[in-house]
Amino acid sequence: GENVEQHPSTLSVQEGDSAVIKCTYSDSASNYFPWYKQELGKRPQLIIDIRSNVGEKKDQRIAVTLNKTAKHFSLHITETQPEDSAVYFCAKGGTSYGKLTFGQGTILTVHP
Amino acid sequence: DAGITQSPRYKITETGRQVTLMCHQTWSHSYMFWYRQDLGHGLRLIYYSAAADITDKGEVPDGYVVSRSKTENFPLTLESATRSQTSVYFCASSEDRDGYTFGSGTRLTVV
Repeated sequence: GENVEQHPSTLSVQEGDSAVIKCTYSDSASNYFPWYKQELGKRPQLIIDIRSNVGEKKDQRIAVTLNKTAKHFSLHITETQPEDSAVYFCAKGGTSYGKLTFGQGTILTVHP
Repeated sequence: DAGITQSPRYKITETGRQVTLMCHQTWSHSYMFWYRQDLGHGLRLIYYSAAADITDKGEVPDGYVVSRSKTENFPLTLESATRSQTSVYFCASSEDRDGYTFGSGTRLTVV
């Protein structure tokens, strides 16, 4: 029940296309689902998050959707730009001591 | 975010030596965490702390020791470094079960 499965592991898109990354989990206790972006050689940074009482959240070109029944959540990036190229991590938490469990990461490459 | 700092940024040490990685945050966040990041494994939790003097093991605690005598500091010690502990180490803090803010990381090489 601790793991988060993240797919795909690599994603290559053309500039202007959309990108979708999906994560699945198995426990019922998690109620907080953040997404982090990590550029090469830098720290992971929170880009968007969602709590279990909400099905979708948007912030400009990024959105996150959550299906608690099916236990999966997804990151959607529209109108991708080369600067969106990075590693993206999903995570789940909201249970004990604020711990987050991370997915394995997706390497997104946006080609100009 | 200047509010959480790690030191050193880079460290090379020899097998068997003790090494301490420092983490300091200025927000008085209750929760602090240590993760290691390795290719193919993502971010794995080593230890975490809910408050001063409260620490607990994460997913991969073997070979590591932590302490938290003050809210703002959460040092991570490798008691006897091994090559398998070569990694990038990230400290993070959070408040009230929100998302983390990560430090800049320490790249540790054990030779």
